[in-house]
Amino acid sequence: SQQGEEDPQALSIQEGENATMNCSYKTSINNLQWYRQNSGRGLVHLILIRSNEREKHSGRLRVTLDTSKKSSSLLITASRAADTASYFCATLRMDSSYKLIFGSGTRLLVRP
Amino acid sequence: DAGVTQSPTHLIKTRGQQVTLRCSPKSGHDTVSWYQQALGQGPQFIFQYYEEEERQRGNFPDRFSGHQFPNYSSELNVNALLLGDSALYLCASSLVGNSPLHFGNGTRLTVT
Repeated sequence: SQQGEEDPQALSIQEGENATMNCSYKTSINNLQWYRQNSGRGLVHLILIRSNEREKHSGRLRVTLDTSKKSSSLLITASRAADTASYFCATLRMDSSYKLIFGSGTRLLVRP
Repeated sequence: DAGVTQSPTHLIKTRGQQVTLRCSPKSGHDTVSWYQQALGQGPQFIFQYYEEEERQRGNFPDRFSGHQFPNYSSELNVNALLLGDSALYLCASSLVGNSPLHFGNGTRLTVT
């Protein structure tokens, strides 16, 4: 079963615009991670936010975490065509320290 | 510094057959996790190996088994293949603990 669910399932924006993806989860977590996947290839880790953190930045990426609402968001600023990919949130649950559980992903299309 | 490598990249098998997929972790990593990703879905956790032992297992039948060798490389074996086993199989390595996963590019398995 999947712990995280992303919203929206698909997103199409113009180059230069910001893209926001949301993730909701069900149980208490140790940390939440975001990954990117291009065209069915391997996933690439983007950013990790721990349960005691509320916001984290990495380059054009900004991640927030609201443990009271069991939700996270990923913001990509000034998007580029190269950002076109699927984005997945993944959670490491408190009761299951080794199993990273992925959501179903958001497919982002950035139009040139 | 080689990342995670998987072999083969593509494989076509017939129902009822058996398959072995291979994975070499990123240099310095000691933990290997396997995931199954169906088309349009997020990766599903199969199991994780650490110190040559299966440390945790997802909701997969016993037809799925694995092994980790002293050099940390790993194999995933699937017996009695079903059509529903057709998917992208991803191997990911990490350091013991809750560090981010480094993924290979996967093995695309097609069962006919």
